Amino acid sequence: DTAVSQTPKYLVTQMGNDKSIKCEQNLGHDTMYWYKQDSKKFLKIMFSYNNKELIINETVPNRFSPKSPDKAHLNLHINSLELGDSAVYFCASSQLLAGGTDTQYFGPGTRLTVL
Amino acid sequence: AQSVSQHNHHVILSEAASLELGCNYSYGGTVNLFWYVQYPGQHLQLLLKYFSGDPLVKGIKGFEAEFIKSKFSFNLRKPSVQWSDTAEYFCAVKGTYKYIFGTGTRLKVLA
Repeated sequence: DTAVSQTPKYLVTQMGNDKSIKCEQNLGHDTMYWYKQDSKKFLKIMFSYNNKELIINETVPNRFSPKSPDKAHLNLHINSLELGDSAVYFCASSQLLAGGTDTQYFGPGTRLTVL
Repeated sequence: AQSVSQHNHHVILSEAASLELGCNYSYGGTVNLFWYVQYPGQHLQLLLKYFSGDPLVKGIKGFEAEFIKSKFSFNLRKPSVQWSDTAEYFCAVKGTYKYIFGTGTRLKVLA
């Protein structure tokens, strides 16, 4: 069983379109994340949800809107796609333990290409 | 501000050579430290982590890392690399909620 899954794996679309990426985790974790990895492999956090509540919202254009219908899902909707949005988007999840420790587990990534 | 520096951006080694990848962090509180590996075309996988206790941490595939608090460092080591270790390696530090990742070190091992 895949612990953290994302769909689709590849997404090719035109500028100006709206698209969504879905993420699901079956680990029972209470926290989920979205990261963007650019062409230089730099990994930057975008959002984090804990028990369906937004706890981290980095400096991300408001064209990006995360939605967490339940603890196991965190979807990313992107409006009016731009060329600079082309990247690999990784979902991750973790379970916060006593003492504030946790370990993130990553999904396989979604490679978004905007033409 | 929290930050993570990985000094080596690209490393090329021959098989059986020893590896050490540097990682320095900047964070004022209790740190949780991680090394992740990303094989070509794949997602990030956890190699090892440090939360507390013994500062020498052993991970999977023969990797280890040493937390040196006085140097704010968490360097990754492996005594003898293999061709299959070719990958991108990321150091990360966790603050209150957020993980900060380093810029990664691309390791290429020549057969």
